[in-house]
Amino acid sequence: KNEVEQSPQNLTAQEGEFITINCSYSVGISALHWLQQHPGGGIVSLFMLSSGKKKHGRLIATINIQEKHSSLHITASHPRDSAVYICAVLSGGGADGLTFGKGTHLIIQP
Amino acid sequence: NAGVTQTPKFRILKIGQSMTLQCAQDMNHNYMYWYRQDPGMGLKLIYYSVGAGITDKGEVPNGYNVSRSTTEDFPLRLELAAPSQTSVYFCASTWGGSSWNTIYFGEGSWLTVV
Repeated sequence: KNEVEQSPQNLTAQEGEFITINCSYSVGISALHWLQQHPGGGIVSLFMLSSGKKKHGRLIATINIQEKHSSLHITASHPRDSAVYICAVLSGGGADGLTFGKGTHLIIQP
Repeated sequence: NAGVTQTPKFRILKIGQSMTLQCAQDMNHNYMYWYRQDPGMGLKLIYYSVGAGITDKGEVPNGYNVSRSTTEDFPLRLELAAPSQTSVYFCASTWGGSSWNTIYFGEGSWLTVV
């Protein structure tokens, strides 16, 4: 069973700061997902990646398959980025879904 | 498209009662999942389905049951509710298989058992 570890668990930063959230996993994967969960609970998929790097607006996700590590970066952070960011990995064919990290609780102060 | 629709959003149950959480998706996804989220923990898989008529247990299936009679619907049944089932429940769906894709979640169902 894959173990997914995220760091930090909690992060408070000032508006405009560059944010990095890390995710490591123990077993080889097919793909890695970054998800965002806002207060009130809804979960939205931000990225799915299996190699390299993806960018969407101010969000950048990278993955290093050899090191079993991924990072999520937020540039020019804004209070609306405050949320829980969840890393989840897909192993094999994925019929039994994703294995989730516990999440990183991010607060961006104005 | 409505995406993944979950109902109810909030429910309080008494110990021993039963209820069904409804989940429907309109994206013709083959894979559907039920997860529970407890405070400070990652989402845990309860049951999953890879297509109509096919269901299987996940990591924490005890006290739950599911059915998948159509591609669209994947209800989760709680039998004889217990306080340990107090949690937030999420239904999710995706087009799985050789071309696993973006996963879509419902808005969540907050369940309290008292």
